[in-house]
Amino acid sequence: KQEVTQIPAALSVPEGENLVLNCSFTDSAIYNLQWFRQDPGKGLTSLLLIQSSQREQTSGRLNASLDKSSGRSTLYIAASQPGDSATYLCAVRRQGGSEKLVFGKGMKLTVNP
Amino acid sequence: GAGVSQSPSNKVTEKGKDVELRCDPISGHTALYWYRQSLGQGLEFLIYFQGNSAPDKSGLPSDRFSAERTGGSVSTLTIQRTQQEDSAVYLCASSMTSGSGADTQYFGPGTRLTVL
Repeated sequence: KQEVTQIPAALSVPEGENLVLNCSFTDSAIYNLQWFRQDPGKGLTSLLLIQSSQREQTSGRLNASLDKSSGRSTLYIAASQPGDSATYLCAVRRQGGSEKLVFGKGMKLTVNP
Repeated sequence: GAGVSQSPSNKVTEKGKDVELRCDPISGHTALYWYRQSLGQGLEFLIYFQGNSAPDKSGLPSDRFSAERTGGSVSTLTIQRTQQEDSAVYLCASSMTSGSGADTQYFGPGTRLTVL
């Protein structure tokens, strides 16, 4: 059974820091991995999707990497801003079978001005 | 519309009542998913539709939960005889199914269900 872990559960940093958010998964037979952002009381916003054949994806100040063999992904946020404060979730879709996503419990990020 | 929409946004009901939650996916998306987000459990998969068929219902927690999708578009999640442990945010998502591995799931704002 696929399990996705995000540690730490919460992080508080001053504005301007470069951040690394970690995600690990137990079954390396994945189809893709997605990083999402969730603001309080809102749904999920997709940030980046990395296909199993890819090593990384970039969007603006965000860069996500994937190491399937070690079961890890990182989300790098450059020059963090207060507007980046949110909960960040990673989710994996396994190879074959259902298209469902298995989510980590998320990491709550607070960027202080 | 431009995104996934869900209604109602909030629902308060009494224990034992039935509730229906609605999801309108992005136009043209063939795949539709229901997830549940609760404080202790995080985000959990409930059911997945491809067109009007549900090839994966493995996440439905009991036979009180059912879902249908009609016309390859709107979906309804029904919870019968609601219990307090059903209180959660119910999220719907949709995606294209291109088979390329690049099928981003787009989420709606959710329905917050409170069972008194």
